[in-house]
Amino acid sequence: AQSVTQPDARVTVSEGASLQLRCKYSYFGTPYLFWYVQYPRQGLQLLLKYYPGDPVVQGVNGFEAEFSKSNSSFHLRKASVHWSDWAVYFCAVSMLARSKLSFGKGAKLTVSP
Amino acid sequence: DPKIIQKPKYLVAVTGSEKILICEQYLGHNAMYWYRQSAKKPLEFMFSYSYQKLMDNQTASSRFQPQSSKKNHLDLQITALKPDDSATYFCASSRGGCNQAPLFGEGTRLSVL
Repeated sequence: AQSVTQPDARVTVSEGASLQLRCKYSYFGTPYLFWYVQYPRQGLQLLLKYYPGDPVVQGVNGFEAEFSKSNSSFHLRKASVHWSDWAVYFCAVSMLARSKLSFGKGAKLTVSP
Repeated sequence: DPKIIQKPKYLVAVTGSEKILICEQYLGHNAMYWYRQSAKKPLEFMFSYSYQKLMDNQTASSRFQPQSSKKNHLDLQITALKPDDSATYFCASSRGGCNQAPLFGEGTRLSVL
């Protein structure tokens, strides 16, 4: 069965510093991978998506992620974090883009001044 | 303007009662979904519909019944409510084809007393 692990439940980064949020997936076959962000009291917003192709995908607000088949990973990165990035970030995997998403437990990002 | 409308935003119910969560999307999508987010579990898939037909059901309890009266509607009826049903319920939708990530509504936060 497909599953996602986000090993870092809480991450604190200084404003302006770089960020990496880790995501490991377990899936037999070709995965479709996603990163979503959830701001307080809001729904999930799509940051970026990976479909088989270029392993580095660009998202909104300066986020990017890199797919690694050998490491079964899809880590999220940002070069310079802004205070408005303070949110919970979810990694998700699906077999097909239209089928169910399996989510990780999320990583709560705190941005310190 | 939100394109996926969920009503109500907040809902308080007593144990044993029945509630209907409303979801409408104005994105022209033909696939719709329900997900649940609670304090005890990560975001979990419940149902998917395509062209108003049930495609996947990962909810063990028959107390949860999706209802699709129009192609842009997917409501969720919950009967015999229990305190464990307390959660935020997210509706999502996506376009047809294998290249579309689901977009989420802002959720209905249900509290069962």
